[in-house]
Amino acid sequence: AQKITQTQPGMFVQEKEAVTLDCTYDTSDPSYGLFWYKQPSSGEMIFLIYQGSYDQQNATEGRYSLNFQKARKSANLVISASQLGDSAMYFCAMRERDNYGQNFVFGPGTRLSVLP
Amino acid sequence: DGGITQSPKYLFRKEGQNVTLSCEQNLNHDAMYWYRQDPGQGLRLIYYSQIVNDFQKGDIAEGYSVSREKKESFPLTVTSAQKNPTAFYLCASSLERYYNEQFFGPGTRLTVL
Repeated sequence: AQKITQTQPGMFVQEKEAVTLDCTYDTSDPSYGLFWYKQPSSGEMIFLIYQGSYDQQNATEGRYSLNFQKARKSANLVISASQLGDSAMYFCAMRERDNYGQNFVFGPGTRLSVLP
Repeated sequence: DGGITQSPKYLFRKEGQNVTLSCEQNLNHDAMYWYRQDPGQGLRLIYYSQIVNDFQKGDIAEGYSVSREKKESFPLTVTSAQKNPTAFYLCASSLERYYNEQFFGPGTRLTVL
């Protein structure tokens, strides 16, 4: 079964508007971390935002915020005031314990296109 | 400046040849990872290592090998047994707590002719 699900293969948003990228996860580990990364066409992976399983408040980093609903196991990324430079692939990832140590699992990604 | 370096950025090899991709980090991270990414796809884990001289297979380890003789280095060898090695390869490292994010290198784009 998929541990990280991103149901939107592609999304379009008008410049200056807000957009929400969906992410649901599955784990039985009570201690886990949720991460969002951006991958522009250059291929580099850029860390955006982190949410811990014990965090009471939603994480925010500048124009990025994470809508964390623990009971629903969802960790949606909200980008406010979209810019043309936000056009990229976005990956949701989870870090949890496995038999060896701490490992990361990535979702399939969502391609965001910002329209002028 | 601390970070992760991967070399080379582009690599071309003939079919049937082994090739080694370099990954070095000076962040003093214990954990290091190798991922493969095909066009338009997500990241698939090849190998990862939590400590020196120890590593674990990921989801797609067949046809690949690694070593971890030093904390800062985690080279990946793509062997001739890998049926379709043309892809983008990303190396990453992290500290060991669940709240620590991964830091990624710039990637190596391997093309097998």
